[in-house]
Amino acid sequence: SQKIEQNSEALNIQEGKTATLTCNYTNYSPAYLQWYRQDPGRGPVFLLLIRENEKEKRKERLKVTFDTTLKQSLFHITASQPADSATYLCALDMYSGGGADGLTFGKGTHLIIQP
Amino acid sequence: SQTIHQWPATLVQPVGSPLSLECTVEGTSNPNLYWYRQAAGRGLQLLFYSVGIGQISSEVPQNLSASRPQDRQFILSSKKLLLSDSGFYLCAWTRGLGNYGYTFGSGTRLTVV
Repeated sequence: SQKIEQNSEALNIQEGKTATLTCNYTNYSPAYLQWYRQDPGRGPVFLLLIRENEKEKRKERLKVTFDTTLKQSLFHITASQPADSATYLCALDMYSGGGADGLTFGKGTHLIIQP
Repeated sequence: SQTIHQWPATLVQPVGSPLSLECTVEGTSNPNLYWYRQAAGRGLQLLFYSVGIGQISSEVPQNLSASRPQDRQFILSSKKLLLSDSGFYLCAWTRGLGNYGYTFGSGTRLTVV
């Protein structure tokens, strides 16, 4: 199965700046990669999905890139706001082939946007 | 629109007692259903998944079991809880072959004492 590495230390960003979070995986290239937001005591909320044949995906202030050569995805929040403060999780299909047998998640990066 | 319901929100149970957590999905049919556990300071761990009624796949050998008696109902159970079963339990659903985002329930905080 996959192993995912996310920076487990908190990331402090000043309001208005761009926050960039990193997700690295170590085994096979996934069919797709997903990003979630999780607030304390709540379930994760789906943000974006990017497929292996896509280099970049955007949604409002969010941008995700996917580099299968580097085995890495970058998650960007532009014009960051204090309300963006949360833990952000990277997730990949559990096994190669992109089936319905579940996602494996990274431990997440805690993002803090300072006003 | 689709919604997912999970209950109870919090639960404190003694060691050795049984457990039953229920999850239901509304507004869709034949969803893929999942149970995850998030222990303190750890990532989400997939426990069980189901692609149809009566079809359960287990990812981690443990003290827990799952059942899917109806299309949109997913139940997590234990006959005898262990201290190590404490954690944040999350139910999720998705459609298709896994190339859609997952929708998570609000979770159950289980403390085994």
